[in-house]
Amino acid sequence: DVKVTQSSRYLVKRTGEKVFLECVQDMDHENMFWYRQDPGLGLRLIYFSYDVKMKEKGDIPEGYSVSREKKERFSLILESASTNQTSMYLCASSLQGGGNQPQHFGDGTRLSIL
Amino acid sequence: SQKIEQNSEALNIQEGKTATLTCNYTNYSPAYLQWYRQDPGRGPVFLLLIRENEKEKRKERLKVTFDTTLKQSLFHITASQPADSATYLCALLTGNQFYFGTGTSLTVIP
Repeated sequence: DVKVTQSSRYLVKRTGEKVFLECVQDMDHENMFWYRQDPGLGLRLIYFSYDVKMKEKGDIPEGYSVSREKKERFSLILESASTNQTSMYLCASSLQGGGNQPQHFGDGTRLSIL
Repeated sequence: SQKIEQNSEALNIQEGKTATLTCNYTNYSPAYLQWYRQDPGRGPVFLLLIRENEKEKRKERLKVTFDTTLKQSLFHITASQPADSATYLCALLTGNQFYFGTGTSLTVIP
């Protein structure tokens, strides 16, 4: 089974801090994604990557950046955390391809910015 | 931009009945539509995928339909069980980006 591991289940940070969220997948998937999930808004795509060192913006990239130095690891960076970035963050991976490939999700990081 | 709507209200049904969840979309004609299950505090788990040229897809007690004219997918759970209680999400690919609905919360009452 595919395993997507997010480094922290819960994280509390302060406004203005630089925050790193890490995600690792063990199935050699080409595609990796970062979403945030908020009540009433569902999952919204922040960034995704189809290959190492490659990234594309999703719907809500402002205030975030990403890094993919190795195929199995995809990092989400909050450059200067703000309270409106308090959310559940979910990482996912999938095989190369489009909508015919299922996404495999980690269990999320619940991030609180104080 | 793509808009996906699912049953906005929670769905409560009696054990043994069939649950039917709705996913409506606008502004695009996706080639594929996916359904996921999400339990509290967990990430979504993939259940089924249906292609635009498939009217119906089944997997055990699950059935998905895809009507590209109505721009709608229906997700059915037959002989529902309390263990089916969860939030169910639909998702589709537009261009190179996935969009998810906000989900429908299903509770199966014993």
